[in-house]
Amino acid sequence: AQSVAQPEDQVNVAEGNPLTVKCTYSVSGNPYLFWYVQYPNRGLQFLLKYITGDNLVKGSYGFEAEFNKSQTSFHLKKPSALVSDSALYFCAVRDITAGAGSYQLTFGKGTKLSVIP
Amino acid sequence: DAGVTQSPTHLIKTRGQQVTLRCSPKSGHDTVSWYQQALGQGPQFIFQYYEEEERQRGNFPDRFSGHQFPNYSSELNVNALLLGDSALYLCASRPSGGGDEQFFGPGTRLTVL
Repeated sequence: AQSVAQPEDQVNVAEGNPLTVKCTYSVSGNPYLFWYVQYPNRGLQFLLKYITGDNLVKGSYGFEAEFNKSQTSFHLKKPSALVSDSALYFCAVRDITAGAGSYQLTFGKGTKLSVIP
Repeated sequence: DAGVTQSPTHLIKTRGQQVTLRCSPKSGHDTVSWYQQALGQGPQFIFQYYEEEERQRGNFPDRFSGHQFPNYSSELNVNALLLGDSALYLCASRPSGGGDEQFFGPGTRLTVL
């Protein structure tokens, strides 16, 4: 069975500093990886995905993520944090073993990012 | 263009009751999935609908059932509610033309007393 781990419940970073939110995964076969962000009382918003290709993926709002197959990691990064980036971040993996028509996502528990002014 | 919409926003029920949640996918989307997000947890997959049929199901009991209509909208029904069913229920839709990105609605907050 596939799984996603986000080892940090909370990450605090000063505004303007670089941020990293960590994610590791376990899947059978090639991973389809995603990052979503959730603001209070809102649904999840898609940030970026890795399916294949370059290990550095660029997404929305200046975020990027680095795929590392040997370490089974997919860490989310941003060069300069904004206070408005404060939110809950979820890493997810798509279950492709259930077939091409399956879009089931397995999510991590989430990491709360707080950007301090 | 409206995104994924869900109704109601909030709902309070008592144990043993039944509830129906509704989802309208984004325009041009035909696949709808439902997720349960308990407090402090990540979303958990309930099931996925495509062409009005349940195509895949997560590890949820039969008390959870759903339906997809010809206009691609969907309902999630939960019978015999338990306190543990209290959660945010999220609907996600996927474009009919393909792609891996799913778009989530704002969710329905269900409280079971």
